[in-house]
Amino acid sequence: QEQLVESGGGVVQPGRSLRLSCSASGFTFSSYGMQWVRQAPGKGLEWVAIISHDGTDTYYSESVKGRFSISRDNSKKMLYLQMNSLRVEDTAVYYCARGFYSLGWFIDYWGQGTLVTVSA
Amino acid sequence: QLVLTQSPSASASLGASVKLTCTLNSGHSSYAIAWHQLQPEKGPRYLMKINSDGSHSKGDGIPDRFSGSSSGAERYLTISSLQSEDEADYYCQTWGTGVQVFGGGTKLSVL
Repeated sequence: QEQLVESGGGVVQPGRSLRLSCSASGFTFSSYGMQWVRQAPGKGLEWVAIISHDGTDTYYSESVKGRFSISRDNSKKMLYLQMNSLRVEDTAVYYCARGFYSLGWFIDYWGQGTLVTVSA
Repeated sequence: QLVLTQSPSASASLGASVKLTCTLNSGHSSYAIAWHQLQPEKGPRYLMKINSDGSHSKGDGIPDRFSGSSSGAERYLTISSLQSEDEADYYCQTWGTGVQVFGGGTKLSVL
């Protein structure tokens, strides 16, 4: 059974860094693109980043480009999100998600999320 | 720029049916979309992907009460025999060139 478990969230001051991790199980991790999506308090879903199955291609939303970096370790079945220069507006629940490609990238499995709070 | 538009809220009675709409903006009416459900205190759940011709593929374990369809630039999610646990936020999602796009979400209330 497919499972995605995020970790690494917490409270961090503006300008600092944090790394989120996502552990995958129940499927062939190296065959799937993976994504990070976030939801700020009281707001809707916002896409953050996507990485191809082999890590060679990455895309980012404009709001995090240059500050966040998505990566993966297929040998460990792990997905990461390195978040630098954090801002108050980055406060959100961050979800790890599995992607599939069919006339575009779509999400078919989600994790439970990890909360990141950026506050002085 | 690719945009998905959803009504902020919808409501229907227990046991009734409801049809939620996701509208693609001009120039993107051929795009496929996916529907996702966010229940309170739970992680999101993938419901289905809907193509422009109305064909759709559901996620694992999604009940037959959930169905999808398409007309022009609109993509629909119909939920029949509404249950209390269907009260949730519903988001549509699609992919543009190098960017994932979500609609603003529809909050469904089951009366």
